[in-house]
Amino acid sequence: EAGVTQFPSHSVIEKGQTVTLRCDPISGHDNLYWYRRVMGKEIKFLLHFVKESKQDESGMPNNRFLAERTGGTYSTLKVQPAELEDSGVYFCASSSDREARETQYFGPGTRLLVL
Amino acid sequence: ELKVEQNPLFLSMQEGKNYTIYCNYSTTSDRLYWYRQDPGKSLESLFVLLSNGAVKQEGRLMASLDTKARLSTLHITAAVHDLSATYFCAVDAGTYKYIFGTGTRLKVLA
Repeated sequence: EAGVTQFPSHSVIEKGQTVTLRCDPISGHDNLYWYRRVMGKEIKFLLHFVKESKQDESGMPNNRFLAERTGGTYSTLKVQPAELEDSGVYFCASSSDREARETQYFGPGTRLLVL
Repeated sequence: ELKVEQNPLFLSMQEGKNYTIYCNYSTTSDRLYWYRQDPGKSLESLFVLLSNGAVKQEGRLMASLDTKARLSTLHITAAVHDLSATYFCAVDAGTYKYIFGTGTRLKVLA
């Protein structure tokens, strides 16, 4: 069974540009999460989807960040326009049953560098 | 607000030695996770600790949970080079969010 995959693995962009990150969860997982690790600090929650619905986006830093999950399968996280402080590693995770609090499985992350 | 403190941040140890990584958290939780991450790879789930006094072991790693002290430990026995990685603890405070510690970057020297 394939794990959580993320694309691209690395992205280097200039301040003011737009970047779109993609996450493919484990097949059949309704729950999809985005997290971010900035500057070697702790990994922080950004938002949570159940199927195509946003359940909680309280961790999104500001309105430059837009997450979507059309059709309840893969998800994208767009940063527009990117700022220097957006640099970090963006992780995606998925789980099967939120009510049962099943373990979240993480992808390898996308390393974003904004210059 | 739940906070998780993990220490040490960096750990360099000789092969064959023992050491412990600590994970303290600030509010009640009944579920704690340990993950391992190798460079460029996914966070790999190592242990899920579900109750006070829970102890789990896998190879040279043993994790324990004391919910009263709000403390989890990850003990490394007779370290080998293959254990070099970054280790994270994460606490589930009853929601779907995980609150992570800062991670411990472990380097085992031959």
